[in-house]
Amino acid sequence: NAGVMQNPRHLVRRRGQEARLRCSPMKGHSHVYWYRQLPEEGLKFMVYLQKENIIDESGMPKERFSAEFPKEGPSILRIQQVVRGDSAAYFCASSPAGEGSPLHFGNGTRLTVT
Amino acid sequence: EDQVTQSPEALRLQEGESSSLNCSYTVSGLRGLFWYRQDPGKGPEFLFTLYSAGEEKEKERLKATLTKKESFLHITAPKPEDSATYLCAGGKGGSEKLVFGKGTKLTVNP
Repeated sequence: NAGVMQNPRHLVRRRGQEARLRCSPMKGHSHVYWYRQLPEEGLKFMVYLQKENIIDESGMPKERFSAEFPKEGPSILRIQQVVRGDSAAYFCASSPAGEGSPLHFGNGTRLTVT
Repeated sequence: EDQVTQSPEALRLQEGESSSLNCSYTVSGLRGLFWYRQDPGKGPEFLFTLYSAGEEKEKERLKATLTKKESFLHITAPKPEDSATYLCAGGKGGSEKLVFGKGTKLTVNP
């Protein structure tokens, strides 16, 4: 019974490159969430998706960040032209249903921008 | 503005020394108060959800309680393996967002 799978676990990018973070939700879960954790900060909501739909992206920076959850395959968080301030741990979570269901988190992708 | 504040930021206990962690919240239309445990290098692990004031939930040495303004995580006779960061989050009404506190880092010494 695999949990939420994220890869890669660690990602190093130079300023200006693109970062792609992947997330496979738990089996049977159709709701995917992305959160970002900066050092000494709490987890911050970024985006909520269901299959082929972005439901709430109110926490996403307006530029350079995008997310998708296609009909087939994992959810992808894409960061274009990365800057040093994008260095953080990015966590994906999934749930089987909507409002009120607890989220199950993956172990995150730690992005370092050099 | 929605906010979740946890105290203390860090707590050191001796094995067997019981204590409580605090989570105060102002989240509009709260639809649930969630507690998670996070170990270094790992993602948050779900512990409890509380939905209404007066509700209590227990799991092994942990008990979570909820009032209209705050939640407590009581740790009874902790062991070194209880060492972790404990996160509190409020579910925002009418949305799927969780508003997280910064966590309390608990260290239990043998």
